[in-house]
Amino acid sequence: GAVVSQHPSWVICKSGTSVKIECRSLDFQATTMFWYRQFPKQSLMLMATSNEGSKATYEQGVEKDKFLINHASLTLSTLTVTSAHPEDSSFYICSARPYLGGGSYGYTFGSGTRLTVV
Amino acid sequence: KNEVEQSPQNLTAQEGEFITINCSYSVGISALHWLQQHPGGGIVSLFMLSSGKKKHGRLIATINIQEKHSSLHITASHPRDSAVYICAVRGQGGSEKLVFGKGTKLTVNP
Repeated sequence: GAVVSQHPSWVICKSGTSVKIECRSLDFQATTMFWYRQFPKQSLMLMATSNEGSKATYEQGVEKDKFLINHASLTLSTLTVTSAHPEDSSFYICSARPYLGGGSYGYTFGSGTRLTVV
Repeated sequence: KNEVEQSPQNLTAQEGEFITINCSYSVGISALHWLQQHPGGGIVSLFMLSSGKKKHGRLIATINIQEKHSSLHITASHPRDSAVYICAVRGQGGSEKLVFGKGTKLTVNP
């Protein structure tokens, strides 16, 4: 249980175009989802926290107009990289916190999206 | 200095060896997570710890809150254990954010 499905797993796009990445919680409701970026040989860095029905909370240094996050339902959050540039090429991964019972929440991750901007 | 430090950065072992990966952190935490990231990038949550020790199959995770240190052990390692193992901590005060270590790349040779 507690699966997060992320699509696409990889995408190549031209500089200046926009790319949308989807994350769906398949068997639980996710009021909050997290979006991370990982550069080669680096640790995951939190970009933003996505809240269902409200605006996302962005980490310092992350451009909210460039990385648009929409969390319109309890099972779907999307990240749109607008006007992508080669420096946006990275591995993007989402996660959510399924309820495990007994007042405890875990973390489950999507499979990630490798974005290459050419 | 990173809030979460892992050692070693890289580890090569022979099949069957006992593996230990260490994680030290500098902040107060509510929980520590061990994650496994495979070459394709997908991440699997292995353990969530707030105290003591947990065991799942050949994997054992321990945490010492006073010393701000955790270890992940793999017994009877196998080539399929080859992956990057990441330590992540969640802060106190109801924070949901995880702070990640840089990971330990484990290669188990047959």
